[in-house]
Amino acid sequence: QKEVEQNSGPLSVPEGAIASLNCTYSDRVSQSFFWYRQYSGKSPELIMSIYSNGDKEDGRFTAQLNKASQYVSLLIRDSQPSDSATYLCAVNTGFQKLVFGTGTRLLVSP
Amino acid sequence: NAGVTQTPKFQVLKTGQSMTLQCAQDMNHNSMYWYRQDPGMGLRLIYYSASEGTTDKGEVPNGYNVSRLNKREFSLRLESAAPSQTSVYFCASSEFRTASYEQYFGPGTRLTVT
Repeated sequence: QKEVEQNSGPLSVPEGAIASLNCTYSDRVSQSFFWYRQYSGKSPELIMSIYSNGDKEDGRFTAQLNKASQYVSLLIRDSQPSDSATYLCAVNTGFQKLVFGTGTRLLVSP
Repeated sequence: NAGVTQTPKFQVLKTGQSMTLQCAQDMNHNSMYWYRQDPGMGLRLIYYSASEGTTDKGEVPNGYNVSRLNKREFSLRLESAAPSQTSVYFCASSEFRTASYEQYFGPGTRLTVT
């Protein structure tokens, strides 16, 4: 079982819709969770971090964490074509190291 | 403030050649990392350095060596390149924020080994 699992997609949503990206992790002691956005041919860019159960909102982005279910998600409201990218979920496994999922490709159509 | 910089951006090597990938950060971060990214495999940690003078192996260290030259610079060396090392290499650095270490990535080096 992979430590961090994501559906590879592509997840296709129309412009203006809510995109929901999901991630599960296997290590119950993980405490910190991150979402990175990666455009094709570019490097990962940190967009959200979450440490406590519940929701954390930043602009159009909301991260949700449920440690009991070992589940973290990212909601993108009012999706734009510029949001089309691969979204990587990352989990802190201790001592400053992250384990990354393989990413979900999001396509937002005009 | 350039953040994390990497050189070169692209490189083609022949099997058996050696090269060093350079990484520097100007954010005064203590920790630095080297990852490789392959299609369908995600980002995998090669080596990391929690502070100047220390380095530790990550998930896929075989065939690589690293040097933490000073607080700013962390280099990755391929002593004898193999086609399996064809990949995109990312350097990252991190700082402690709120409750954990957030990592910031450089632009990457695309390496092809023929």
